Amino acid sequence: DGGITQSPKYLFRKEGQNVTLSCEQNLNHDAMYWYRQDPGQGLRLIYYSQIVNDFQKGDIAEGYSVSREKKESFPLTVTSAQKNPTAFYLCASSMGTSGPETQYFGPGTRLLVL
Amino acid sequence: GQNIDQPTEMTATEGAIVQINCTYQTSGFNGLFWYQQHAGEAPTFLSYNVLDGLEEKGRFSSFLSRSKGYSYLLLKELQMKDSASYLCAVGAYNTDKLIFGTGTRLQVFP
Repeated sequence: DGGITQSPKYLFRKEGQNVTLSCEQNLNHDAMYWYRQDPGQGLRLIYYSQIVNDFQKGDIAEGYSVSREKKESFPLTVTSAQKNPTAFYLCASSMGTSGPETQYFGPGTRLLVL
Repeated sequence: GQNIDQPTEMTATEGAIVQINCTYQTSGFNGLFWYQQHAGEAPTFLSYNVLDGLEEKGRFSSFLSRSKGYSYLLLKELQMKDSASYLCAVGAYNTDKLIFGTGTRLQVFP
């Protein structure tokens, strides 16, 4: 059963704490993405990776970090430097052959600040 | 600059037809995608247009005019389950990135 999984579904963060959101895919996709979605706004790109061991900043990378050590995994860390982290976080993947491909999304993680 | 415009909200009646418009101004163009997103869930892919014209897929059709920077999503025989947000996204040239609009929230009433 191929797909993208994200965990946890809900995550609570205390002030000054770093938290890591998990994203795993078994679609054999090369490209992976992290988006943030706020109420009434579209998806904003945080980071993306087109190949293992390489990633690029998106439009709102400040306060976030990622790694891409394995093709299947692209975890996102929300650091204490991100002052307004409450949002719905979506991970996506695509084949990443050349040019835009259909992106497939995971179920999302909702992050709340205590 | 990059700009994608969609209406914020639309309403329609069950069984009717609705057209959701999307206009874009982007530096480079490499296809236009439509996604459906139910509240609290992930977006799911609906359609992709890279050439001008109409693509039909069951009750859903999508149209593209590259010269006008314009696309629409047409939903026929509306059902209650079609109540969702519809996201227009443009493929940036020479990258895998998509640029998303803010989405159109469609409410279908009985």
